[in-house]
Amino acid sequence: TQLLEQSPQFLSIQEGENLTVYCNSSSVFSSLQWYRQEPGEGPVLLVTVVTGGEVKKLKRLTFQFGDARKDSSLHITAAQPGDTGLYLCAGAVSNYQLIWGAGTKLIIKP
Amino acid sequence: GAGVSQSPRYKVTKRGQDVALRCDPISGHVSLYWYRQALGQGPEFLTYFNYEAQQDKSGLPNDRFSAERPEGSISTLTIQRTEQRDSAMYRCASSLGQGATEKLFFGSGTQLSVL
Repeated sequence: TQLLEQSPQFLSIQEGENLTVYCNSSSVFSSLQWYRQEPGEGPVLLVTVVTGGEVKKLKRLTFQFGDARKDSSLHITAAQPGDTGLYLCAGAVSNYQLIWGAGTKLIIKP
Repeated sequence: GAGVSQSPRYKVTKRGQDVALRCDPISGHVSLYWYRQALGQGPEFLTYFNYEAQQDKSGLPNDRFSAERPEGSISTLTIQRTEQRDSAMYRCASSLGQGATEKLFFGSGTQLSVL
């Protein structure tokens, strides 16, 4: 069974702090995506990474795909209350199918 | 419409009844997915359509679940003889092209409660 494990499951920090959340698997993925989901809404895509070792930046968010394409991290600099949400990673196991992690619930306190 | 539309938003039904959940994807989107999502968890794959062809239904839990997309646009997920364990959020997603690197656009979901 292919699994994507996300850690931590829950993180609550103060505005302005930095944080990193992780997405790990024993499986190799051809690509990996990060989504953010707010209560009552569907997930919204943040980034897609494809190449091992790839780093992508989206304003204060930095995404890295592991060299072996088995893991990924999301680093947020100077977190803001608007960053609050459920962060989900999803790895491609076929040319159309994704498996999803359980998510990291992030709360940024003002 | 501008986004993926799902209806109804909430569905309460009695055990043993059949339910039909509707998904209206973004116009022109080729790929359509159905997922089930438990509260605070990631989506669980149910089935995938490429245009009108159901290319993968391996995630459907059992034969009470079926889905169709007859004209390559609107899709319906049908659950027959509902059971309490079917209670969940059912989400539809679509993407413009095919491929796992495509951006998925999710609907707001149908919250199904089976009493």
